Amino acid sequence: DTGVSQNPRHKITKRGQNVTFRCDPISEHNRLYWYRQTLGQGPEFLTYFQNEAQLEKSRLLSDRFSAERPKGSFSTLEIQRTEQGDSAMYLCASSRNLRDRASSPLHFGNGTRLTVT
Amino acid sequence: KNQVEQSPQSLIILEGKNCTLQCNYTVSPFSNLRWYKQDTGRGPVSLTIMTFSENTKSNGRYTATLDADTKQSSLHITASQLSDSASYICVVSASGSNYQLIWGAGTKLIIKP
Repeated sequence: DTGVSQNPRHKITKRGQNVTFRCDPISEHNRLYWYRQTLGQGPEFLTYFQNEAQLEKSRLLSDRFSAERPKGSFSTLEIQRTEQGDSAMYLCASSRNLRDRASSPLHFGNGTRLTVT
Repeated sequence: KNQVEQSPQSLIILEGKNCTLQCNYTVSPFSNLRWYKQDTGRGPVSLTIMTFSENTKSNGRYTATLDADTKQSSLHITASQLSDSASYICVVSASGSNYQLIWGAGTKLIIKP
């Protein structure tokens, strides 16, 4: 299966701890996105990379959150000093950079579910 | 304010029956509208993408329609199967960029045997 891979699938941590998630996109996709999703809601955009460049970041993204994509392949999302409100599903998605942007669907991984106790 | 509203919030139907899910949006400008299927505990999977000029698109037993004048879309599921139980999310792109998407809250569909 060459889909988007996310690790770990689940993470339980205590408030105040740092956590890091990894995303491996589909290999030929140069765009990578991070989303956060809470129960009963659609995904909320966090940040976006084209190759190794972080091009967009949500204004809602706290400075405790940082994402990297150092070689333009896999990406990591780190949350420092976690809070209970950070509990959510963190989704990674990738897409191709097509001229016709309308036909470049997002391919999502199965997410990392974070629980902050 | 750009918004995507879906109805119903949840729906229960018997296996083999058809159903239609609704999506109304107030997003401007409009680039494309997408439907995603999301199984519990998994990431969303793209079903269809429609641009302004397309008013219907099919993917197997799923058929999406788009009326750009009334800003409404529907997703019709034919001959439902147990595996269709999932949340169905309507997403609208204002600019064509994947990071500027307006997501609906989804319709939770349950198929009963």
